[in-house]
Amino acid sequence: DAGVIQSPRHEVTEMGQEVTLRCKPISGHDYLFWYRQTMMRGLELLIYFNNNVPIDDSGMPEDRFSAKMPNASFSTLKIQPSEPRDSAVYFCASSRMRGIHGYTFGSGTRLTVV
Amino acid sequence: GESVGLHLPTLSVQEGDNSIINCAYSNSASDYFIWYKQESGKGPQFIIDIRSNMDKRQGQRVTVLLNKTVKHLSLQIAATQPGDSAVYFCAENISPGANSKLTFGKGITLSVRP
Repeated sequence: DAGVIQSPRHEVTEMGQEVTLRCKPISGHDYLFWYRQTMMRGLELLIYFNNNVPIDDSGMPEDRFSAKMPNASFSTLKIQPSEPRDSAVYFCASSRMRGIHGYTFGSGTRLTVV
Repeated sequence: GESVGLHLPTLSVQEGDNSIINCAYSNSASDYFIWYKQESGKGPQFIIDIRSNMDKRQGQRVTVLLNKTVKHLSLQIAATQPGDSAVYFCAENISPGANSKLTFGKGITLSVRP
């Protein structure tokens, strides 16, 4: 199994531009999570899906952030418009059952907004 | 490497010694706990978990201890190796299910001296 695959690994964009982060979860995992990691706030859960349906998006910072999961093998996190304070590492994780045996994380996307 | 390791508490140990990494969790209702390891440039990786009906669980070279009375979790690493150098996170969950959240601690950097 290739694990959770995220792309791109690094993204540098100008303030105001749209950014799309992508994630392919592990096949057979029916939960998918998007996390953001910063020095100040650590790992924050943004949103999670169960069977492609968004369950809890209370961690999404504001309306500039949106996430979709059109099928079991693909999810996107979009920021429009991006701002410098969005600079962080964004992780996608997946699991078979919520919280059980931990989540498998991808390698993350390092986003820098200048 | 990942900037997430900056400004975090650091534990420095000699190679071959045992390491003890401590975590105070926040919610007395939490009943499932996980330790993660995050190496530079990678996503968090599951190490070991424990349920609240246990106070100790052992894996390969790692032991997790849970003290629910004082809401304290520890990770013991035997015969610490250079490859153990990383940021370690504890995570807590309340009755893993539809509405529970896996909440991560801030992290501790383990530095192994050769």
